[in-house]
Amino acid sequence: NAGVTQTPKFRILKIGQSMTLQCTQDMNHNYMYWYRQDPGMGLKLIYYSVGAGITDKGEVPNGYNVSRSTTEDFPLRLELAAPSQTSVYFCASKRDGLNTEAFFGQGTRLTVV
Amino acid sequence: TQLLEQSPQFLSIQEGENLTVYCNSSSVFSSLQWYRQEPGEGPVLLVTVVTGGEVKKLKRLTFQFGDARKDSSLHITAAQPGDTGLYLCAGAVSGGSNYKLTFGKGTLLTVNP
Repeated sequence: NAGVTQTPKFRILKIGQSMTLQCTQDMNHNYMYWYRQDPGMGLKLIYYSVGAGITDKGEVPNGYNVSRSTTEDFPLRLELAAPSQTSVYFCASKRDGLNTEAFFGQGTRLTVV
Repeated sequence: TQLLEQSPQFLSIQEGENLTVYCNSSSVFSSLQWYRQEPGEGPVLLVTVVTGGEVKKLKRLTFQFGDARKDSSLHITAAQPGDTGLYLCAGAVSGGSNYKLTFGKGTLLTVNP
């Protein structure tokens, strides 16, 4: 069982370039989340989704876009990369319910130069 | 403004010592979760506390949920180097018919041999 898979694991972007961070889960979870984590810090919520076709902003959505066309996939798009977006990005998924466990991918380390 | 405040932010102790880390909020949560994150990995769930005043034990780790369900603590007895990691508390914040999972900034624990 693969769980939550993120690609790529590492990426270096130049300022102004675009890229898509991929996230897929095989647990049939409705809830999916994108977080960023700066060095030594906790997780800041970028966007989340409660099911296919439904997305909503988190705490730090500026500079990012998401889509959720299927239950399995929740890609995160950076349109014009900026140095402030240098971070580690984590995707997570969970079953419906307030108390259910969130499962995380291994992260994508992004550097914008 | 951080919804979940964790303290201390950093903690460095010797093997065998006891420690307590805290997670506080001005908001009431239906439950709080504690996750542990090791370097280069995504967070992994340790425990979910649901009932006010609840105490849960996981080997040398003791988790408590405050009576008012606004705070939680994690106590580690006789810490070992393998306990080193980032400890994150998380709570679900309601947004109408759905909710987002929000994290504190975390406590970075280093246990020295």
